[in-house]
Amino acid sequence: DTGVSQDPRHKITKRGQNVTFRCDPISEHNRLYWYRQTLGQGPEFLTYFQNEAQLEKSRLLSDRFSAERPKGSFSTLEIQRTEQGDSAMYLCASSIEGTGSGYTFGSGTRLTVV
Amino acid sequence: AQSVTQPDIHITVSEGASLELRCNYSYGATPYLFWYVQSPGQGLQLLLKYFSGDTLVQGIKGFEAEFKRSQSSFNLRKPSVHWSDAAEYFCAVVPSTSGTYKYIFGTGTRLKVLA
Repeated sequence: DTGVSQDPRHKITKRGQNVTFRCDPISEHNRLYWYRQTLGQGPEFLTYFQNEAQLEKSRLLSDRFSAERPKGSFSTLEIQRTEQGDSAMYLCASSIEGTGSGYTFGSGTRLTVV
Repeated sequence: AQSVTQPDIHITVSEGASLELRCNYSYGATPYLFWYVQSPGQGLQLLLKYFSGDTLVQGIKGFEAEFKRSQSSFNLRKPSVHWSDAAEYFCAVVPSTSGTYKYIFGTGTRLKVLA
C-alpha cells in the first residue's frame, strides 16, 4: 500500500467554476477525514466518514461543499461556484477506528481560485 | 472552547543545536496529543503521540515530547537538529472523549536550520 493518495496535486480554477478532488485512503482504513489548510494556519476539520457514512460536518463546510465516500473506499470533495476564499490546501487523511494510531495524511490538493 | 497554542511562529536554530517547540492546550481533561511535521508542499507526517502512561514519549527522527499536566503543555524536543529538520511543526489535540478523533491543530511553528 502506498499510503493516502490525493488527486490532483494542484488545481487552478476561475471563480464560479466547480471543482472536484479525489482521495484514495489506505485500503484497510475505515475512517476518512477532510481538512482545509490556509496559509500560515494549521489544518481545520471539514468532514469525516466512517466507511461510507458521513458522520460529521464542520460549519466551515458551506452548502457549496459536498463530500462523498461511495462504497467506503475513495472519497470526493466537490466545491461548487468557487470563491477566492476557497483557495487553500485540502488535505485528506485516513485511519483505523479504535487503534489510536493517528492519521495518515495525503500530500494534499492545493486549490487556487483566480 | 478547546484550543491549541503554539506561541512561536518561527524558530531558527543552528545545525547541531538543541530544539524545543512549545505547545499548550486548553481542555478540561487530558486529551490525546500529537506532533506532526509538514515539509513544503507536502502532507503531514506523524512524529509522535501521547495517550496515557509515561509522560516522556519518543518519536521518529530522534524527536521526543514531554506531557506536563500541570502546565497543559506537550513540548517537542530534539537534542541535535539536522538541516533536514527544517519544516513546519504542528501540535494537535483530540479530546479523549471524542468518538470521531477530530483533530484540533495549532497554528504551527516554522523551523529554520542554519548550516
